[in-house]
This record gives sequence, structure tokens and C-alpha cells, in this order.
Amino acid sequence: EPEVTQTPSHQVTQMGQEVILRCVPISNHLYFYWYRQILGQKVEFLVSFYNNEISEKSEIFDDQFSVERPDGSNFTLKIRSTKLEDSAMYFCASSGIEDSPLHFGNGTRLTVT
Amino acid sequence: DAKTTQPPSMDCAEGRAANLPCNHSTISGNEYVYWYRQIHSQGPQYIIHGLKNNETNEMASLIITEDRKSSTLILPHATLRDTAVYYCIVKAYNTDKLIFGTGTRLQVFP
Repeated sequence: EPEVTQTPSHQVTQMGQEVILRCVPISNHLYFYWYRQILGQKVEFLVSFYNNEISEKSEIFDDQFSVERPDGSNFTLKIRSTKLEDSAMYFCASSGIEDSPLHFGNGTRLTVT
Repeated sequence: DAKTTQPPSMDCAEGRAANLPCNHSTISGNEYVYWYRQIHSQGPQYIIHGLKNNETNEMASLIITEDRKSSTLILPHATLRDTAVYYCIVKAYNTDKLIFGTGTRLQVFP
């Protein structure tokens, strides 16, 4: 069964550094998402992306965050200047058509020191 | 989005049916009920969804009450690998985002 893949599985970075989290969605999917989960807390929506633009974003997704689909296969989340509180699991997801179920990757654990 | 209420934890014996309840008394007519689960710290996994009719797939069955104010996810023959946190989510058709609550932690024991 096709799956969403995320790299790296674990990223350690220093506060203030830029970090890029990478995702390869399922190949014929058109809708892309990022969620995050701080340790012990709920899964939180960050942003959705369709047709090369952001379609919805949460309050968490401030100017420090950006998303991009640089080519036909990758979908990236960039955090410009990481803070300690950005430490979390970041999950990428994709779906094929509007309102269809989301398929999630297994996440990137980001640790900001 | 409508809020959902789920018990924080449940136990189930291996091989028995696991029935996970969810209350969504403020659900509106265009909102679907979705179920996802999260095994350990993996990404959430889609299980099933429905609008008003009962649904069944290879993983589970979803029973939605006639007034749509509650639903039950049924895993017909639970296995140890079904141990996970199960999330009931109500989602409007015109929004992209899923709002996760704290879910029900299901422990399947031998």
C-alpha cells in the first residue's frame, strides 16, 4: 500500500537555526498537510496546501513557518529560526480528493536545544 | 467544529469486540464523524468515517445513532496490535483541518 514518507526521522537543531522537514506524499494525492504533536499533548493542525498555495493555516503557523512543494514529489516545512517550544513530532499527511481521509507519515521528531 | 467526548481509557480482551463510544451532541448536518488511531508515537492512521449511515470496512464498523449525537467504533476481534489511542473527530465538509482531542487509550490484553 502506498505511504507517506518523512525524512529525517529525528532532527536535532540548535535554537535560532533554520530547519527543513521533508515529506514525500502519496504520488497521486493533491492535498497536503502538516500537523505537530508536542510530547504528551494533542495532535495539532498547522497548515493545509492545495494547488501550490496554502488553503488553511492555524494560529501556530506564524511567519516563522513556511511550506513549499519544490518539485512534483516533495512537500517541505521550513522553520526559519527554531525555538525551544518548536520541539515536537511533525507529521505530514496527504489526501487524494477533497474531503477524503488523510494518510499520515510516521513523523519527524524535532528536538531544539 | 463540533466537540467530541470520549472515555479516556478502555480495556479489551484479545479476540473480543472492542466498542469505543463517542458523544458529539452538537454535530451539525454537514459534519462527518471520522475515526483515527495512533499506535505508540506513529502517525495517526485512518480507520473509518460516516455521515449518518452505519459503515463497515476491513478494519472496523461505525454505528451512528439516528439523531447523530453519538457513535460507536467497533473492532470486531481485537488483537494486541490494536492497542492504541483512538480519536473520534467531527469534521465539516468545507474545512481541511482535523481537530484531534485526547482520544480513548485502548489497551488490549492477552
